[in-house]
Amino acid sequence: DTAVSQTPKYLVTQMGNDKSIKCEQNLGHDTMYWYKQDSKKFLKIMFSYNNKELIINETVPNRFSPKSPDKAHLNLHINSLELGDSAVYFCASSHLVESPLFFGSGTQLSVL
Amino acid sequence: DAKTTQPTSMDCAEGRAANLPCNHSTISGNEYVYWYRQIHSQGPQYIIHGLKNNETNEMASLIITEDRKSSTLILPHATLRDTAVYYCIVRDRRSSNTGKLIFGQGTTLQVKP
Repeated sequence: DTAVSQTPKYLVTQMGNDKSIKCEQNLGHDTMYWYKQDSKKFLKIMFSYNNKELIINETVPNRFSPKSPDKAHLNLHINSLELGDSAVYFCASSHLVESPLFFGSGTQLSVL
Repeated sequence: DAKTTQPTSMDCAEGRAANLPCNHSTISGNEYVYWYRQIHSQGPQYIIHGLKNNETNEMASLIITEDRKSSTLILPHATLRDTAVYYCIVRDRRSSNTGKLIFGQGTTLQVKP
């Protein structure tokens, strides 16, 4: 069983479209995260949720909206996609905010 | 969170120990040292973390200097599958912290046959 799973693995779409990436963890963790890895391979946090409550929003455009229906899920919805949104998006989870993070395998988003 | 400095790249012969250094001279007493790695096209993988004492697990050993200003990750018998980018991260332990990890450029370790 995959601990942190993301779908889809690849997402190719046109500019202006709206898309969602789903994330689920079966580790029983309380905290979940979204990270973005750009073309230069820098990994940067976007959002963090603890028990379904937003605790980090790292100056991400309003077009990005995370949604946590329950503790085990943190989905990322992106409106009006732009070329600069092309990146690999990683979901992660941790038991507590100070515990190690466990990452999913990533979603490669390509905006054409 | 304190900044870290790592060499950009390193090579290691298969079967030998890989010693990856990290400088974190501005680390505070509340900050842990974490190591992650990212194998090509995969998500980052947690390796080990420590505060003051040396730590060992099934993957690696972490040696932290007494002044805590630097540390070394040791992979005792490197294999080709250990080829990856290794990230050294310092992270605040206080519960008010948001759990955020700040990734730098890391060290690209190439294990060669």
